[in-house]
Amino acid sequence: DTAVSQTPKYLVTQMGNDKSIKCEQNLGHDTMYWYKQDSKKFLKIMFSYNNKELIINETVPNRFSPKSPDKAHLNLHINSLELGDSAVYFCASSPPTRGGSPDTQYFGPGTRLTVL
Amino acid sequence: EDKVVQSPLSLVVHEGDTVTLNCSYEVTNFRSLLWYKQEKKAPTFLFMLTSSGIEKKSGRLSSILDKKELFSILNITATQTGDSAIYLCAVNDYKLSFGAGTTVTVRA
Repeated sequence: DTAVSQTPKYLVTQMGNDKSIKCEQNLGHDTMYWYKQDSKKFLKIMFSYNNKELIINETVPNRFSPKSPDKAHLNLHINSLELGDSAVYFCASSPPTRGGSPDTQYFGPGTRLTVL
Repeated sequence: EDKVVQSPLSLVVHEGDTVTLNCSYEVTNFRSLLWYKQEKKAPTFLFMLTSSGIEKKSGRLSSILDKKELFSILNITATQTGDSAIYLCAVNDYKLSFGAGTTVTVRA
């Protein structure tokens, strides 16, 4: 029974294309995240949503647009893909905590995006 | 800017050895420090530390936090090949900031 799932697992596309990655969690968590892990394995937060509301938006090009139709889903749309967007994108979710900050996060399996 | 630094970046050991991984941090509003293990896919949670000096233990893995000196260590004793992975340290200051990870390779 998958807790945090992402589709697709692999995505190979040409520069300039627009693509979306979907994420769903069945843990009943309120907060969801998108992370980017580059070739050096550095995991960096991109966005965080709490109950469908954007709460963290790191310095990410505005070609990246997250959308949360409900608190169980957080999708990532990327416009005009560039070579530097090639990375593994991880979705994560976390349960509500006192003070509202994340503690334990549960990660999805990742989507490996390759831009040619 | 918040910073999380892990060392060493990588190490190779033989089965049965003990490894010690380091994580130092500088963040504005420290709430907790977390360790994750990443094998081929998603990072999986190991420990969350909030208080100094209290060791957390799970089997052959243990971790401790020093909030005065701003670091944490993760120990793995009697290493096995299944311990080969990237170990990630993350600090929670209302968002998780990850270090670059330590790649551990355990040889049979």
